Amino acid sequence: QKEVEQDPGPLSVPEGAIVSLNCTYSNSAFQYFMWYRQYSRKGPELLMYTYSSGNKEDGRFTAQVDKSSKYISLFIRDSQPSDSATYLCAMSAAGNQFYFGTGTSLTVIP
Amino acid sequence: DVKVTQSSRYLVKRTGEKVFLECVQDMDHENMFWYRQDPGLGLRLIYFSYDVKMKEKGDIPEGYSVSREKKERFSLILESASTNQTSMYLCASRRTGGAYGYTFGSGTRLTVV
Repeated sequence: QKEVEQDPGPLSVPEGAIVSLNCTYSNSAFQYFMWYRQYSRKGPELLMYTYSSGNKEDGRFTAQVDKSSKYISLFIRDSQPSDSATYLCAMSAAGNQFYFGTGTSLTVIP
Repeated sequence: DVKVTQSSRYLVKRTGEKVFLECVQDMDHENMFWYRQDPGLGLRLIYFSYDVKMKEKGDIPEGYSVSREKKERFSLILESASTNQTSMYLCASRRTGGAYGYTFGSGTRLTVV
């Protein structure tokens, strides 16, 4: 079983829609959770970081962590064509080595 | 603007060649990483380093070696390139501590023919 599972998509939504991206994990020791955005032919860039459970909001982006269900989510409100990218979740137990999901490809259609 | 710089964006090498991928960071980060990224497999850790001259194997080290002679530079070496090493290679660095994310380079697309 993989440490981190992520639906690869692809996901296609109209502009302005709310997008929900999700990852599940098996290691209950994970406590550091991150979301990265990767544009085509570029390296991933850090989008959101959350420690332990709870929500974190940054502009149109909200990250949620539910440790009891071993489930994390990234919500994108009022999605824009510029949000079209691959989104990767990453998580770690002790903050040293992070385990990545395989990424979800998102296209926002104008 | 802080960054991780990978020396080549695209490389084409022949089977059996020795290949060097170079990575330099300007953020004084202690930790540096080499990943490869393949469709459907995501990011897989090849090697990482917590300090100068220190290296640790990741999940898929076979066929690779690394060198970290200076804090800012981390090199990935393919001893004898094979076609199954055709991939996107991503270098990353991060500061020690759980609150810090990775800073990735733009990647090197390596094709072995």
